[in-house]
Amino acid sequence: EAQVTQNPRYLITVTGKKLTVTCSQNMNHEYMSWYRQDPGLGLRQIYYSMNVEVTDKGDVPEGYKVSRKEKRNFPLILESPSPNQTSLYFCASGRGTTYYEQYFGPGTRLTVT
Amino acid sequence: GIQVEQSPPDLILQEGANSTLRCNFSDSVNNLQWFHQNPWGQLINLFYIPSGTKQNGRLSATTVATERYSLLYISSSQTTDSGVYFCAVEPSGSARQLTFGSGTQLTVLP
Repeated sequence: EAQVTQNPRYLITVTGKKLTVTCSQNMNHEYMSWYRQDPGLGLRQIYYSMNVEVTDKGDVPEGYKVSRKEKRNFPLILESPSPNQTSLYFCASGRGTTYYEQYFGPGTRLTVT
Repeated sequence: GIQVEQSPPDLILQEGANSTLRCNFSDSVNNLQWFHQNPWGQLINLFYIPSGTKQNGRLSATTVATERYSLLYISSSQTTDSGVYFCAVEPSGSARQLTFGSGTQLTVLP
């Protein structure tokens, strides 16, 4: 089954404890991206990747890191999480050549206390 | 940046009714998608429709790119249609970023 998977789905952590949210897709998509969803602010892009070893900042990259060492994986790293990073996070992958139809993972609900 | 406005913000329907959701955008776009966010939070891809008309079962969508709007039609609504419907656009010349509208919260009553 074609899908985007994220792990963990739910995470409660404390301020400053490094964490990684994994994202994997099995559709051989070049494009991958991370979004966060917050009440009243909608979905905002954090980082995206056009291909392996190619990443770029979205609208809200501060406090996050990403890497794209393999085509299928695009982990999101929070080196020192803070309470304002409490949010619902979505990973997406996209197919296309110039413009990308995006498919979203199930989401990761993160709480930082 | 590009503005994406969805209307209505909230919609309550009786099961079996039809509805039309609208998405207006302020600039030219390369890409437009409609998503349904179900009550469990999952975003489900409904349509990739930068222009023209598409249909998938009881749902159809039309984008008129020259007039900068898109419409999502839901016919014979069911309770499982409840959730939030988002329109998202990729502005022309953007760095592959999707900008989302604020959504339409749809509630279908049995």
